[in-house]
Amino acid sequence: QSALTQPRSVSGSPGQSVTISCTGTSSDVGGYNYVSWYQQHPGKAPKLMIFDVSRRPSGVPDRFSGSKSGNTASLTISGLQAEDEADYHCCSYAGSYTVVFGGGTKLTVL
Amino acid sequence: QVQLVQSGAEVKKPGASVKVSCKASGYTFTRHAIHWVRQAPGQSLEWMGWINAGNGDTRFSQNFQGRVTLIRDTSASTAYMELSSLRSEDTAVYYCTKAGAAPPGNWFDSWGQGTLVTVSS
Repeated sequence: QSALTQPRSVSGSPGQSVTISCTGTSSDVGGYNYVSWYQQHPGKAPKLMIFDVSRRPSGVPDRFSGSKSGNTASLTISGLQAEDEADYHCCSYAGSYTVVFGGGTKLTVL
Repeated sequence: QVQLVQSGAEVKKPGASVKVSCKASGYTFTRHAIHWVRQAPGQSLEWMGWINAGNGDTRFSQNFQGRVTLIRDTSASTAYMELSSLRSEDTAVYYCTKAGAAPPGNWFDSWGQGTLVTVSS
């Protein structure tokens, strides 16, 4: 099980949109609509932001959206706010009742 | 509300074992799987395995096969993760997390606060 590939860092100014990619294979991201995204602030536990590729849990702002094309999933944050600065991790079902996480992306709000 | 409360930090010597507990509340414990995820200092999340809190079925990442044991005590709504043959690379924060869907679930809607395990001679 290899980790999914995410950019190490992305940045954007307040009000802008940023997109974080998560690339896997046909055995994980591309094979199932079971990608989730987690936000993690320093020293805190992760928080679920998106599940099943594009579904948002209650309480998560609609500025956060998810999508998938082929073996790459994406998290888009629109109307960037200072509190969005955090690490973001993608996760995918990988078959045989296993999951795999991405390498994580640090989002900086300029 | 759903809460997962983990046991406190541990310091272990190489070769030893560590057991971390995760007490759940606010939902029907046996209806969801508990997954375990770890995060080494400055690193990303690494999935370790899961236990079906209802029937005790388990599944592990190949990276931990043979070294990790997952059990649960339904009477106490508590899950346990034991990692053996510890080495320095096992130094990490260990999280338990509740699967959001029916077992095994592949997304995680509640997380414990994390347990720091330090492996040092």
